[in-house]
Amino acid sequence: QVQLQESGPGLVKPSQTLSLTCTVSGASLSRGGYYWTWIRQHPGKGLEWIGYIYYSGSTYYTPSLQSRVTISVDTSQNQFSLKLSSVTAADTAVYYCARGNNGDYCFDCWGQGTLVTVSS
Amino acid sequence: SSELTQDPAVSVALGQTVRITCQGDTLRSNYASWYQQKPGQAPVVVIDGKKNRPSGIPDRISGSRSGNTASLTITGAQAEDEADYYCSSRDNSGKHNYVFGTGTKVTVL
Repeated sequence: QVQLQESGPGLVKPSQTLSLTCTVSGASLSRGGYYWTWIRQHPGKGLEWIGYIYYSGSTYYTPSLQSRVTISVDTSQNQFSLKLSSVTAADTAVYYCARGNNGDYCFDCWGQGTLVTVSS
Repeated sequence: SSELTQDPAVSVALGQTVRITCQGDTLRSNYASWYQQKPGQAPVVVIDGKKNRPSGIPDRISGSRSGNTASLTITGAQAEDEADYYCSSRDNSGKHNYVFGTGTKVTVL
């Protein structure tokens, strides 16, 4: 059974860098066929795809965040991470990590999500 | 980037059928998947891009696609189907990017 769990600070100051980690169990980040994804949801709003990292290390980001976002992977820890720089209150959201399934063309496993608030 | 448009809200009487639509040009050439999200919970995939139901999803939920529109149908809606539903697909602007629909709140009366 594949499980994903987000971790990281729940409060970040404006202009600082938001850093989150997703720990994966039950699946290897080194295996092909999946893309390890970050998605966020502003309070009371819809889902926003942030980007993903493929097992090869290739990364793809949504254009609106591309200049501020980095997704990386640590295969030794079976974790992948999100860094979002120069945050503002507009980055306050629930952040989800998820597994993208290249065979079924969907996000088939999600973490429970973690609320990150940007405030001084 | 591409957009996927959904009706904000629909209601359905208990036991009746409801169809949720998702419109966008990217759907002409890309698969659509569907997600159910209940309050305070993470989304769950209910229809994958191949229009299959993952294990544990009731067969009253089905998906289809025609032209630039993907649809999710709940046949015989139950109280537990009340939730927000989102479609998702690859974005036409880059073959690796994804986009989510605007979401539909389904209320079961």
